Amino acid sequence: EVQLVESGGGLVRPGGSLTLSCAASGFTFSAYSMNWVRQAPGKGLEWVSSISSGGRDIHYAGSVRGRFTISRDNAKNSLYLQMSSLRAEDTAVYYCARDAGSGGSCFYYWGQGTLVSVSS
Amino acid sequence: SYELTQAPSVSVALGQTARVTCGGHNIGSRNVHWYQQRSGQAPVLVIYRDKNRPSGIPERFSGSNSGNTATLTITRAQAGDEADYYCQVWDTSSYVFGTGTKVTVL
Repeated sequence: EVQLVESGGGLVRPGGSLTLSCAASGFTFSAYSMNWVRQAPGKGLEWVSSISSGGRDIHYAGSVRGRFTISRDNAKNSLYLQMSSLRAEDTAVYYCARDAGSGGSCFYYWGQGTLVSVSS
Repeated sequence: SYELTQAPSVSVALGQTARVTCGGHNIGSRNVHWYQQRSGQAPVLVIYRDKNRPSGIPERFSGSNSGNTATLTITRAQAGDEADYYCQVWDTSSYVFGTGTKVTVL
């Protein structure tokens, strides 16, 4: 059974930093691209960042480029999102999501999410 | 940047058919994916590549895509289908979500 478990969320002040983690199990982690998707309270889904299976190909949404860094450790079956210069508008539930594989361009499995609140 | 437009809400009587549309320029040339998000839960993929159902998704869910509109169809709607539905495509190194449609089962 595929499992994605996010952690690391919490309350942080504007301008602060936070690192999210996603522990993956139930599939060959190193074979799939991984992603972060977020959802602000009462709002829709917003893709944040993606990283290829080997970690070489990385993309960011314009709203977070230059402030967030995605990374992965295939030996630990883990995905990370380092967030810095956080703003109130970064407040959201952050989901870890696995790619479909074979260039599927969709989010086949999702974690339950971790809440990040940016407030003074 | 590419935009996807969805109606904010759709209502359907229990047992009837609901259609959720997703509009985008020449969306028929792209692969469209659909997600269901029940209240307080994580999204779930219900249709991928226009018309394919992941394992465990009922046959009542189907998809189509042509021209400027992709459609998610839910037949024999059940109370458990009440949720927000989002369409999604890939566009030039980024993923784009639709604005979301709240489906209410009456």
